[in-house]
Amino acid sequence: GNSVTQMEGPVTLSEEAFLTINCTYTATGYPSLFWYVQYPGEGLQLLLKATKADDKGSNKGFEATYRKETTSFHLEKGSVQVSDSAVYFCALSDRNAGNMLTFGGGTRLMVKP
Amino acid sequence: SAVISQKPSRDICQRGTSLTIQCQVDSQVTMMFWYRQQPGQSLTLIATANQGSEATYESGFVIDKFPISRPNLTFSTLTVSNMSPEDSSIYLCSVLRNPGSNQETQYFGPGTRLLVL
Repeated sequence: GNSVTQMEGPVTLSEEAFLTINCTYTATGYPSLFWYVQYPGEGLQLLLKATKADDKGSNKGFEATYRKETTSFHLEKGSVQVSDSAVYFCALSDRNAGNMLTFGGGTRLMVKP
Repeated sequence: SAVISQKPSRDICQRGTSLTIQCQVDSQVTMMFWYRQQPGQSLTLIATANQGSEATYESGFVIDKFPISRPNLTFSTLTVSNMSPEDSSIYLCSVLRNPGSNQETQYFGPGTRLLVL
């Protein structure tokens, strides 16, 4: 079956530090990959996505590249802000599995001023 | 994207009672989903709700506990029946945009925060 594994949190960084949140996946087909963000007290928002190998998704300074050879989709940001404090979820969607999203466990990011 | 609203946004309920959560989308969609997010956890799919057919439940979830309605292409409800404190969670609906294309993406509502006493 499909699965997503992401690094456990919390991740605590100072403002303007470089961020990496690791995400690896297992899938039987050719999934699309997503990063969702959940700010405190809110629902999930789509942050970025990539639909095929070597695609790079980007949004709000965040980037992630679909690496088929390493089955990874690591999230990066060059300079984090306090407002980036949230829980980040890596997910995959596999059309062979009825479009169901498979989520990683989530990684809490805390950015301190 | 999609504009999705949920009602109520939060509620505190007594055990043994039931709560119906509404999900409204700003345009017609075929596929809608209901998820549960227990405190400090990731999301777990409860069921897929397609208009014109019975909801499809995931392992561990049953219709008697979580009945779902999908009367049209912009609306769905999830009922949490005979609640216990273990049902305290965030319940989220989502919709699938651009199904069958390489832009296929799920968008989520803001969630309903339920506390059962």
